[in-house]
Amino acid sequence: EIVLTQSPATLSVSPGERATLSCRASQSLTSNLAWYQQKPGQAPRLLIYGASTRATGIPVRFSGSGSGTEFTLTISSLQSEDFAIYYCQQYNNWPRTFGQGTKVEIK
Amino acid sequence: EVQLVESGGGLVKPGGSLRLSCVASGFTFSTYSMNWVRQAPGKGLEWVSSIGGSSGYIYYADSVKGRFTISRDNAKNSLYLQMSSLRGEDTGVYYCARDPLRWDPWGRFDDWGQGTLVTVSS
Repeated sequence: EIVLTQSPATLSVSPGERATLSCRASQSLTSNLAWYQQKPGQAPRLLIYGASTRATGIPVRFSGSGSGTEFTLTISSLQSEDFAIYYCQQYNNWPRTFGQGTKVEIK
Repeated sequence: EVQLVESGGGLVKPGGSLRLSCVASGFTFSTYSMNWVRQAPGKGLEWVSSIGGSSGYIYYADSVKGRFTISRDNAKNSLYLQMSSLRGEDTGVYYCARDPLRWDPWGRFDDWGQGTLVTVSS
């Protein structure tokens, strides 16, 4: 089973600042990695797939990068609606697995 | 607009059974694989099961294999999860999610329902 380790667990950021979230895989995923955003009481939402492709309707301030075992989600200028939990997920090997999540909170 | 609406959750005793449903609309259901993902209270996300568009490919997490059965009825635009021998650790919100591929699931979750809560407790 591929283990995804996200860091940090919590990220405190001021509105307008940049946020950088990391996801490390226990083995290579090529580019089969997705990022999801989840707000309290809501279902997750797909943000990024293929490590760097924004899903439909996702603002350009969200960007993904990386390949192999190291991946990054960057939010260029945090808006109030971006404070949430972010999960990475690999779809390269079965079983599909998620990281434990990074909570982005208001500083 | 893609819509996925889950139902069937509730309180069940350990060892009991429950059948979840997910009704889809806004897309041609038979041309997409589908998935179930769950989330224990206050915890992260866990993939549960995936099924291809014609049910030819099915995958399960080890934690549910032999106890849960995924199925679909394309004529009814519906996805199901039959859960048996339920345990406390099966408690959580169960989401159905649309996959981007048709025949063999990719196990990526492009669209999500709002979820249905399953509580396993005596």
